[in-house]
Amino acid sequence: DTAVSQTPKYLVTQMGNDKSIKCEQNLGHDTMYWYKQDSKKFLKIMFSYNNKELIINETVPNRFSPKSPDKAHLNLHINSLELGDSAVYFCASRLAASSYEQYFGPGTRLTVT
Amino acid sequence: AQSVTQLDSHVSVSEGTPVLLRCNYSSSYSPSLFWYVQHPNKGLQLLLKYTSAATLVKGINGFEAEFKKSETSFHLTKPSAHMSDAAEYFCVATGGGAGSYQLTFGKGTKLSVIP
Repeated sequence: DTAVSQTPKYLVTQMGNDKSIKCEQNLGHDTMYWYKQDSKKFLKIMFSYNNKELIINETVPNRFSPKSPDKAHLNLHINSLELGDSAVYFCASRLAASSYEQYFGPGTRLTVT
Repeated sequence: AQSVTQLDSHVSVSEGTPVLLRCNYSSSYSPSLFWYVQHPNKGLQLLLKYTSAATLVKGINGFEAEFKKSETSFHLTKPSAHMSDAAEYFCVATGGGAGSYQLTFGKGTKLSVIP
């Protein structure tokens, strides 16, 4: 009965590789987000999708490409991984017609070596 | 633009004593405000939310927060700390950017509970 799930939980890879993180929510929400949490625990929004359409794209390198095949899924693909991409990535979701709170997944810890 | 300031990066309390985690926001309007908790190696869990109803908001696990517009504050309190409260706490506000629904996070306060 997991509300927002992410796979994988841990991802260790080398510089230059391409990797994907998947996110799924079973809450019936129509808006999904990706956040990056740095080593100092600071959370910054990267992308937001509403009904499969991109509505927020913060200053994120174009090596990062989100894909939303349907309202319940928002995947994050990262090309040419760099050391600075090492972080914890959180997916979140929200129902746009209700209040503003977002529900977060457990996070994916990405380590680039 | 919205900003959220958590006044303490680290708070340490003894078990059974009160907890106070301080948060100030800057906004020309009354945003929606939240406190989230993140236990080690876990995701973020919503503790409580303020959405322009009652100014004193009760959350899970005995936590409360009071919205004070005159002070632009939304401090989190708990009468008696428990060991399981040790975690990172984030104060969050709406109105950060492209749409009032975008969340702006404070930098977090790490709460340590001493037995």
